Amino acid sequence: GEEVAQTPKHLVRGEGQKAKLYCAPIKGHSYVFWYQQVLKNEFKFLISFQNENVFDETGMPKERFSAKCLPNSPCSLEIQATKLEDSAVYFCASSPGSRQYEQYFGPGTRLTVT
Amino acid sequence: AQRVTQPEKLLSVFKGAPVELKCNYSYSGSPELFWYVQYSRQRLQLLLRHISRESIKGFTADLNKGETSFHLKKPFAQEEDSAMYYCAPLLPFYNQGGKLIFGQGTELSVKP
Repeated sequence: GEEVAQTPKHLVRGEGQKAKLYCAPIKGHSYVFWYQQVLKNEFKFLISFQNENVFDETGMPKERFSAKCLPNSPCSLEIQATKLEDSAVYFCASSPGSRQYEQYFGPGTRLTVT
Repeated sequence: AQRVTQPEKLLSVFKGAPVELKCNYSYSGSPELFWYVQYSRQRLQLLLRHISRESIKGFTADLNKGETSFHLKKPFAQEEDSAMYYCAPLLPFYNQGGKLIFGQGTELSVKP
């Protein structure tokens, strides 16, 4: 597609439940990035992929967060056992490559943990 | 550590007035610098990047390496410029993963 797509738009989970977010990057883009924005504040980098391989996971909370980008499937970000502080907007962005590196953002998924 | 500071959370100006959104960064290398904009109910989109040296929608930004600043300017603000603006250095792919480091954002409100 021509735009990065993210589903769902909104997700509400009770504390301790699992949450799974999806991202379809722009066709032909090699890189996918996930960012977390808490309370309209700073964006925090979580993880990036180069095709289906993890490229940089330095921002990922190790214990409960996981992510995948499998061939011919949307990328996913999964949070096991959500906590209140996971409430945020999660943005996905894709980029053509390391030489053309403008990042194109999706509309975000708003996760509310109650 | 890399850090971006946008000191104004909210900037309110009247239509036709000049506007400057400040951005200071701390980074030991030479990052690629971007300004992203988010209009109401729209996704984050690239406004301009420092290497292209172009003017988009009347906005320009000059990189000052001495002051480590990348302020965004427009001589005559328009109501449609009202939005959230984020300054974001891009860290190099080869050793820092090509990720964006965002500032806190400045909300620009242009009044009629």
